[in-house]
Amino acid sequence: SQQGEEDPQALSIQEGENATMNCSYKTSINNLQWYRQNSGRGLVHLILIRSNEREKHSGRLRVTLDTSKKSSSLLITASRAADTASYFCATDPTSGTYKYIFGTGTRLKVLA
Amino acid sequence: NAGVMQNPRHLVRRRGQEARLRCSPMKGHSHVYWYRQLPEEGLKFMVYLQKENIIDESGMPKERFSAEFPKEGPSILRIQQVVRGDSAAYFCASSPFAGQGGTDTQYFGPGTRLTVL
Repeated sequence: SQQGEEDPQALSIQEGENATMNCSYKTSINNLQWYRQNSGRGLVHLILIRSNEREKHSGRLRVTLDTSKKSSSLLITASRAADTASYFCATDPTSGTYKYIFGTGTRLKVLA
Repeated sequence: NAGVMQNPRHLVRRRGQEARLRCSPMKGHSHVYWYRQLPEEGLKFMVYLQKENIIDESGMPKERFSAEFPKEGPSILRIQQVVRGDSAAYFCASSPFAGQGGTDTQYFGPGTRLTVL
């Protein structure tokens, strides 16, 4: 199964509300990254958090990482309609491979 | 600095034809990764290449699929004798350094959407 599993699979909120997405993974990692993908488009890198970090902020984004639980969360505060997209976590395992392992994504819809 | 470029953006092929997907990494990046995304799914790793070398092709089907990253020119993902199940979005990413043990971000191109009729 996928290394990364996001939940919920789909989330619908009103503009101005906060959106929280979670990602769980199975093996030890070097880092975890969050990407956004607008419908039919490529991936946009949002934020990288290293395995020795617990929290990171970037604008309206807040990412946490709990390596003991092998989980991460992405919080988008004061959401906007333009935040409507799919959000993926990607892990960089310590197992010596070079590939990122992507989860199946959370589809966020922000209603105006 | 231009981002990762992929072409074509959309490609339509009939069953049995060949598909060639091109990827030009960001300037200064010598590591290229190819991923495939099926509808409503996440990205699945296919292959990792450095200039003139395939480093990890564990995610690429053994038959019909091949990839190269020549000394000069873009990286090419080639799919021979395409079948309907090959229909997907194919994304290329590049990074300046190898990801192993490091924390290098991979920057993604816009993707090529392959449709097999």
